Amino acid sequence: GAGVSQSPSNKVTEKGKDVELRCDPISGHTALYWYRQRLGQGLEFLIYFQGNSAPDKSGLPSDRFSAERTGESVSTLTIQRTQQEDSAVYLCASSLAPTSSNTGELFFGEGSRLTVL
Amino acid sequence: DAKTTQPPSMDCAEGRAANLPCNHSTISGNEYVYWYRQIHSQGPQYIIHGLKNNETNEMASLIITEDRKSSTLILPHATLRDTAVYYCIGASGSARQLTFGSGTQLTVLP
Repeated sequence: GAGVSQSPSNKVTEKGKDVELRCDPISGHTALYWYRQRLGQGLEFLIYFQGNSAPDKSGLPSDRFSAERTGESVSTLTIQRTQQEDSAVYLCASSLAPTSSNTGELFFGEGSRLTVL
Repeated sequence: DAKTTQPPSMDCAEGRAANLPCNHSTISGNEYVYWYRQIHSQGPQYIIHGLKNNETNEMASLIITEDRKSSTLILPHATLRDTAVYYCIGASGSARQLTFGSGTQLTVLP
């Protein structure tokens, strides 16, 4: 597809279970980002990938959260032992590689809505 | 990223220009002003960005004051589909982490 694709679009899980959220970025976009958005709130930065490496993991809220990216393409965000506070929409975005004149234009997916019961 | 301040909400009549203000008094010389919007239940959408000069594209115009401490996003002829939360962000050109604040909820009224 032409845009950023995320799956699943909706996930309901029980407290304590692990979940995996997937992001397919725009082809050719080497930069990939994960954000979290709780209901009625702004976006929280989680992690940034340049290629397959993650130079900035500063936003991951705890060691229950991890992310990986392979083939400079698909990324997976994994949340272990989910808690009710993890309920949110998880947004993925991609962009071209950063340069001195980069526009900072991020292309976002529609998000994965996670509900932890 | 520079701290930005936006009004929490604004209304605008359909067909009129919507002028959304943003204060970024602490913005540094190499930081751009970016605008995104988020329509309900969708991912954010890039609108426009600028450094010093005013900018215009097919979606909007961006007016940046000479001292760069504030800016205004202008939607020249607002439509009902422009109802969204609008985010103003200050970040360097190669910034990899854009900080989204609370934004302005713009409601376009028929």
